[in-house]
Amino acid sequence: QSVLTQPPSASGTPGQRVTISCSGGHSNIGINYVYWYQHLPGTAPKLLLYRNNQRPSGVPDRFSGSKSGTSASLAISGLRSEDEADYYCAGWDNSLRGPVFGGGTKLTVL
Amino acid sequence: EVQLLESGGGLVQPGGSLRLSCAASGFTFSSYAMSWVRQAPGKGLEWVSAITGSGGSTYYADSVKGRFTISRDNSKNTLDLQMNSLRAEDTAIYYCAKLDEVVPAGAAFDIWGQGTTVTVSS
Repeated sequence: QSVLTQPPSASGTPGQRVTISCSGGHSNIGINYVYWYQHLPGTAPKLLLYRNNQRPSGVPDRFSGSKSGTSASLAISGLRSEDEADYYCAGWDNSLRGPVFGGGTKLTVL
Repeated sequence: EVQLLESGGGLVQPGGSLRLSCAASGFTFSSYAMSWVRQAPGKGLEWVSAITGSGGSTYYADSVKGRFTISRDNSKNTLDLQMNSLRAEDTAIYYCAKLDEVVPAGAAFDIWGQGTTVTVSS
């Protein structure tokens, strides 16, 4: 059981906009930043967004993030086949004194 | 080029020990906190442990506290994870990851290694 809750799966067709939700609590998302990762099996995870909605260099602006209260979401617009991957939200938890991850959402591009 | 390279994974019996290492290059190693994150078969990412840039403070997930020890050698740019009393549920790919801060206070793992596989089985 992950501290942060994500839907196990999401899907969309090329060109569509999809969103992935991440629900937490007052000790993590409620008072700390949210981070998003893209992970293709067999490869190293990649930091997609940091501090809720900031993109590292090289991440296309098709990826965006938002946060409200104890929930956050990742939006991917102009969906492409190469976006098919597992996506994880993460954040620091003040009660656990460490980072916590969501359970991950498998995105399928139909 | 910024790079993290893990080593030390393998097959170990329950109750056994294993030491993972991570060699870092391409950045000022001592300026950043480092961490280990694992992924069990069919499961999601799980944070395991972190250490400050100086090595003066360490952090552990409850699932490994008392069994795993994280350490670093800033003179050699290496990060280690000593794993004792291993259990079947410790079976996972273990990733070395750089945090974008000196003291862990977020989850900005900006650089990751390719991972090393640990299998705990008799």
